[in-house]
Amino acid sequence: EAGVVQSPRYKIIEKKQPVAFWCNPISGHNTLYWYLQNLGQGPELLIRYENEEAVDDSQLPKDRFSAERLKGVDSTLKIQPAELGDSAVYLCASSLGPTVEVNTQYFGPGTRLTVL
Amino acid sequence: AQKVTQAQTEISVVEKEDVTLDCVYETRDTTYYLFWYKQPPSGELVFLIRRNSFDEQNEISGRYSWNFQKSTSSFNFTITASQVVDSAVYFCALSDFNYGQNFVFGPGTRLSVLP
Repeated sequence: EAGVVQSPRYKIIEKKQPVAFWCNPISGHNTLYWYLQNLGQGPELLIRYENEEAVDDSQLPKDRFSAERLKGVDSTLKIQPAELGDSAVYLCASSLGPTVEVNTQYFGPGTRLTVL
Repeated sequence: AQKVTQAQTEISVVEKEDVTLDCVYETRDTTYYLFWYKQPPSGELVFLIRRNSFDEQNEISGRYSWNFQKSTSSFNFTITASQVVDSAVYFCALSDFNYGQNFVFGPGTRLSVLP
């Protein structure tokens, strides 16, 4: 079974430029998560989707960040414009569902963003 | 608010030594889930274990074992006879019980196993 797929793996951009990350979850997983991981820290949740609905986006900086999961499968996270402080690893994870029986999250390899 | 503390930032051991990674959590919930994940140099977090707060039995899986003590709010992870391939960052995480929301990770412990 294929795992969570993310692309690109690495991205280097100049500040004020836009950037987008793509995630394809494990087949059949209805819940999708985007996390931000700064160097030396644990992941922090940005947004959680149940199918195509964003049910928890309280930690997403909405002035510059946006996300979508139009058909309830793959998802895109966008930053526009990027700032120096956005340099981090962006992780995508998925789980079968949100309830405790099926909420174990499986992670992709992440996208390492460097903003110059 | 939920919080996970991993006081050990970095640990170095020599191969074949046993090592214990500490995890202390805070939550107001009476029921919750605890997790351990491994993040090798490749970057992908690998799920290791999930434990619900009802079950305080220790668990063993090969060289890995977990000690859950609700009285001290700890969920420690022991690797027996460590190997170089165990070198990674290990994260402890906590989620609430009802809908798996509020998934909070600790800061991680970097384990280096030297040959």
